[in-house]
Parts: sequence; C-alpha cells; structure tokens
Amino acid sequence: NAGVTQTPKFQVLKTGQSMTLQCAQDMNHNSMYWYRQDPGMGLRLIYYSASEGTTDKGEVPNGYNVSRLNKREFSLRLESAAPSQTSVYFCASSEHNQPQHFGDGTRLSIL
Amino acid sequence: SQQGEEDPQALSIQEGENATMNCSYKTSINNLQWYRQNSGRGLVHLILIRSNEREKHSGRLRVTLDTSKKSSSLLITASRAADTASYFCATPGGDSGGYQKVTFGTGTKLQVIP
Repeated sequence: NAGVTQTPKFQVLKTGQSMTLQCAQDMNHNSMYWYRQDPGMGLRLIYYSASEGTTDKGEVPNGYNVSRLNKREFSLRLESAAPSQTSVYFCASSEHNQPQHFGDGTRLSIL
Repeated sequence: SQQGEEDPQALSIQEGENATMNCSYKTSINNLQWYRQNSGRGLVHLILIRSNEREKHSGRLRVTLDTSKKSSSLLITASRAADTASYFCATPGGDSGGYQKVTFGTGTKLQVIP
C-alpha cells in the first residue's frame, strides 16, 4: 500500500545547482499537488495538476517548474536552487472533490 | 486567498485529558477539513465537515463548524501519547469553492504527556 511516494527523502544542494523532485501515486488519482512547508508558515501550494496534461500555478510558483509525466507521476524541478528554497517539499494527490493523500516529504537544504 | 488560522499554536496536555484546537477562516466555504501531521511525516486526512453540518464525530474526534463566526474546532477526547502531532485545518480555495485546491493553516502543535 504505497500511496504517494516521494524521492529523494533528503537532499543537499549548492546554490545554483538544479534538481528534480519525483512523486508517484498508485491510487489512480486525477489531481496532484506540490507544497512546501516552512516553520510557522504552514503548507503553501507551489503547483498543482488537476488532471493529466494540465498544470497550474499555486501560491508560490517562482523558481519552480513542474511536469505531469503521466497520471501517476508529477515532478518538481528547481532550475537554479537558492537558499530561500530550503524547505520540506510535499507531494499530494486526490480524486476530484476528495481529501488529499500526502507523501512523507523531501527535506531539501540549499547551501 | 482563504486561510485557516489555528489557535493555539501549541498545546501541551496530560494523557487522558481532552484537547481542543480552533480554526478561523476568512471567507465563505462549502467544507472544512482537518489533517494531522506526525513528526517527519506527511499530512493525514482526519475529517471533513460540510458547510451545512454543525458537528461531526469520528471515533475520539469531534469537529464543529460555525459558519456565522467562520470558525471550526477540533476536539480530541481522552488523549493518548500517540495523538502527539501537529493539526491543520484546510479550507477550499478558488472562486468556485472547489475541492481541488485547499489552503492550509499554520497548525496547532499538540503534545500529549504520558
């Protein structure tokens, strides 16, 4: 019963490096989401994909790009990492009009 | 954007006591959700209450919703050490009040002392 799987679990980058965070869900959900969680800020939506083939900006999209590779997979890319992007990143999925299921996060530090 | 704000930010109680946390939001909603987050883990959905419901129960959880005051409360009865976690309310976003985008509050950190 995997649910939502995120890789990697931890990553340290240097400023200016790029990387892609991977997310896959096995619940056949149409919608997928990327959030970042910072202390005292709650979760903030970066991008979401309402269905395969569509993506939309959330609250804090600057510095990120996403790809909905297929129905299962939704990746988040940092093209040129900045220290302000140090955070915990969560991927989630849901069926339309249903609560979201979350992965266990990727802890990203940018030096 | 709509945002729930939880109160208190942190709560420490003894095992067996009840824990109450509150959520206030800004604009009309058609539902409100509560999630739990254990340390180092993702969020887990607990309960959803619709705008036409005033109270909902799930096991030891009781959620109330007062749309006139734009507030909700989550009560955990007979708390256990395993209830130690952060609790978040979430409200739907977008003009349509649709489910797909939700806005999370900043959370209440609950510590249950054995």
